[in-house]
Amino acid sequence: DAGVIQSPRHEVTEMGQEVTLRCKPISGHDYLFWYRQTMMRGLELLIYFNNNVPIDDSGMPEDRFSAKMPNASFSTLKIQPSEPRDSAVYFCATTRQNYGYTFGSGTRLTVV
Amino acid sequence: SQKIEQNSEALNIQEGKTATLTCNYTNYSPAYLQWYRQDPGRGPVFLLLIRENEKEKRKERLKVTFDTTLKQSLFHITASQPADSATYLCAPIVSGGYNKLIFGAGTRLAVHP
Repeated sequence: DAGVIQSPRHEVTEMGQEVTLRCKPISGHDYLFWYRQTMMRGLELLIYFNNNVPIDDSGMPEDRFSAKMPNASFSTLKIQPSEPRDSAVYFCATTRQNYGYTFGSGTRLTVV
Repeated sequence: SQKIEQNSEALNIQEGKTATLTCNYTNYSPAYLQWYRQDPGRGPVFLLLIRENEKEKRKERLKVTFDTTLKQSLFHITASQPADSATYLCAPIVSGGYNKLIFGAGTRLAVHP
């Protein structure tokens, strides 16, 4: 089991550019979560999916953020246009009902 | 609003001692609560899950308690080792059929030889 796979590991982009973060969940995990972590705000839940359906996107900061899960093997988090305050580590995590989460290694995003 | 509080200051202890970390929550009643470990530059790693009808859960040198009256969970590491140094995150579940976790800010533990 390769675990939750995120790409890229690091992303540096200029303000105003589109950024796409990717996540491949563990096979058989029917929940997928996107979190953002900063020193100031800790781990914040952005959005989560159950069986590929978005359940709660109340944590998405604004319309510049969007997430999709077209199938059970893939999810994306897109920021368009990106801003310096979006700089953070973005984690994808997956799980089954009533089990602990498995987190990916994260994508460190820097917007300059 | 729902709130989770963990000791914001780092906990420094001597190797071999027991480390005790505290997690307090307010304004909701989680059906269960999870603890995670996070090392610098890495994602959190799941350690233990305890349900509201369980008072205590153990796994090797780890012990977690869950007091729904006090709205508090305690996380203990016995015979601590320098390798236990990390940030430990508390995450009560938001009940309602979906596995939505809200994480505390975490407590950094430093175990000194």
